[in-house]
Amino acid sequence: DAGITQSPRYKITETGRQVTLMCHQTWSHSYMFWYRQDLGHGLRLIYYSAAADITDKGEVPDGYVVSRSKTENFPLTLESATRSQTSVYFCASSEPGALTNYGYTFGSGTRLTVV
Amino acid sequence: RKEVEQDPGPFNVPEGATVAFNCTYSNSASQSFFWYRQDCRKEPKLLMSVYSSGNEDGRFTAQLNRASQYISLLIRDSKLSDSATYLCVVNSAGSARQLTFGSGTQLTVLP
Repeated sequence: DAGITQSPRYKITETGRQVTLMCHQTWSHSYMFWYRQDLGHGLRLIYYSAAADITDKGEVPDGYVVSRSKTENFPLTLESATRSQTSVYFCASSEPGALTNYGYTFGSGTRLTVV
Repeated sequence: RKEVEQDPGPFNVPEGATVAFNCTYSNSASQSFFWYRQDCRKEPKLLMSVYSSGNEDGRFTAQLNRASQYISLLIRDSKLSDSATYLCVVNSAGSARQLTFGSGTQLTVLP
């Protein structure tokens, strides 16, 4: 199906483990984004990518790594998970020319718990 | 100061009421403005873009005041299904490709 999908939907991991959250979109949008959402902070940008092989830091990048070898995929890796990274993670995509009218489209999110 | 500030609410209103949400943004160079809706434990979804002249979509009206750096959302004839969190969204300082989200205003429409 067309759209933007995230996996897994739910994940529990232990402190210190590496975990990768997946994001896949079928629209060939140039831009992809990772946000985390926490109570009291709203949505905060972790990393974004303007195209394949082009990534840049957002507001809260520490402890995270991203890659974008293909336009459609934008995985987010927590290198050594900490409890403070317990959050809901949303992936989003957009096409630059359509931003003004359509904003971003979000995936359904990954709820990550670090114990 | 946060880039985008909203009254967190909660707003509890009866069905049929009119309710207004306000939002202020700090970067005068911002160009794109949106209202998103987020249901509990779901992803944010675009409700409407906000244009300089103001725009309406059914029961929803959005206004932009660039001089005051202020955005508003008016919901008329509230329905139970309007219960959600409403996020004010502005393109980030220095980049038209990055959106900054307010923390949201929670609305509950009561029967």
